[in-house]
Amino acid sequence: GDSVTQMEGPVTLSEEAFLTINCTYTATGYPSLFWYVQYPGEGLQLLLKATKADDKGSNKGFEATYRKETTSFHLEKGSVQVSDSAVYFCALWMDSSYKLIFGSGTRLLVRP
Amino acid sequence: DAGVIQSPRHEVTEMGQEVTLRCKPISGHNSLFWYRQTMMRGLELLIYFNNNVPIDDSGMPEDRFSAKMPNASFSTLKIQPSEPRDSAVYFCASKPGQEGGQPQHFGDGTRLSIL
Repeated sequence: GDSVTQMEGPVTLSEEAFLTINCTYTATGYPSLFWYVQYPGEGLQLLLKATKADDKGSNKGFEATYRKETTSFHLEKGSVQVSDSAVYFCALWMDSSYKLIFGSGTRLLVRP
Repeated sequence: DAGVIQSPRHEVTEMGQEVTLRCKPISGHNSLFWYRQTMMRGLELLIYFNNNVPIDDSGMPEDRFSAKMPNASFSTLKIQPSEPRDSAVYFCASKPGQEGGQPQHFGDGTRLSIL
């Protein structure tokens, strides 16, 4: 079935470091892909999305490119801040199943 | 614009009691989803509605769980009787339209503790 695999966390970085969180997916069709972020005590917030191959989603300095050939949607940021500390979820949506399938989440901790 | 509104934010109750969680989706959104989040199992989809009609409830853990959506602006998730293993954060989300490109918008969740 459809699934999403994220890198294990926690990821610990110093402020201004470069961030990559890996995400790969398995799907029988052509899903839409999302990154959500969850801050402590809050719900999930949409960070960025891409709906077709080679699309790049971007928001708040974060970017991810929909790579069909490698079935990946890695999240990157050039310079992280302490305020980026949160849990990041990669997710895919298939119209055929009408479900948003989440990865297990990756906790990011940014130290000053 | 108001986002998805859930109530209560926190609920602590004793085993065996009935628990009712409430959700008000974003106006104009016609799909609504209930999720449960735990450390062990991550995010699980419990049930979703489209145009107030339950479409898939295969994620509902057992008969103790039930969900309703009497109108486009309100949904409930009920647990009766509650058990300690039901302790989790329950999220409601809503989505405009059926196209995949439209993202789901999440509420802040209800943190449920069953003693």
